[in-house]
Amino acid sequence: LAKTTQPISMDSYEGQEVNITCSHNNIATNDYITWYQQFPSQGPRFIIQGYKTKVTNEVASLFIPADRKSSTLSLPRVSLSDTAVYYCLVGSPYSSASKIIFGSGTRLSIRP
Amino acid sequence: DAGITQSPRYKITETGRQVTLMCHQTWSHSYMFWYRQDLGHGLRLIYYSAAADITDKGEVPDGYVVSRSKTENFPLTLESATRSQTSVYFCASSQASGRAGEQFFGPGTRLTVL
Repeated sequence: LAKTTQPISMDSYEGQEVNITCSHNNIATNDYITWYQQFPSQGPRFIIQGYKTKVTNEVASLFIPADRKSSTLSLPRVSLSDTAVYYCLVGSPYSSASKIIFGSGTRLSIRP
Repeated sequence: DAGITQSPRYKITETGRQVTLMCHQTWSHSYMFWYRQDLGHGLRLIYYSAAADITDKGEVPDGYVVSRSKTENFPLTLESATRSQTSVYFCASSQASGRAGEQFFGPGTRLTVL
């Protein structure tokens, strides 16, 4: 079961690019990497998912190196509204849902 | 409206009482989940369901009971509430199986057990 490790917190300023790295040394061949965002008093919201190399959508980019032992969520030009907790999950679509682990996530604070 | 809803949004109860939290989704998603989130912590999976009449334990199932007689509903019952069950409870649904499926979360129920 792949365990993930993320920084507990990060600070940045409006307009900057923010990169949050997640370590998952025991990632399995069939595992995907998924990131969620959670605002205070709300449920988490799916941001992006990838398997290898780079994935980009309208919100973020996800960089995954060749060995897949880590991944980096990149938020371009952040604003105050990006202040949230970000969770990295690793799992396979073929495995049991019983072991879903969100962890404590990374608390991102954006300052003016 | 389409989506996933939870009720009640806030609940205060006393130790020993039975409490049922409701979850309803309109997407006909196969998978549904219940998580708890304690203050300042991540989410922990309580129970999940792969389809109607199929449920299974997650990481922290003790003290909770679930059922799923209809695809769209997944109630969570605390049979005898304890103070340690004070938490925010999130319901989620997903069309995909396993641990890689995108999950859609409800707004949460804040439960306080006195």
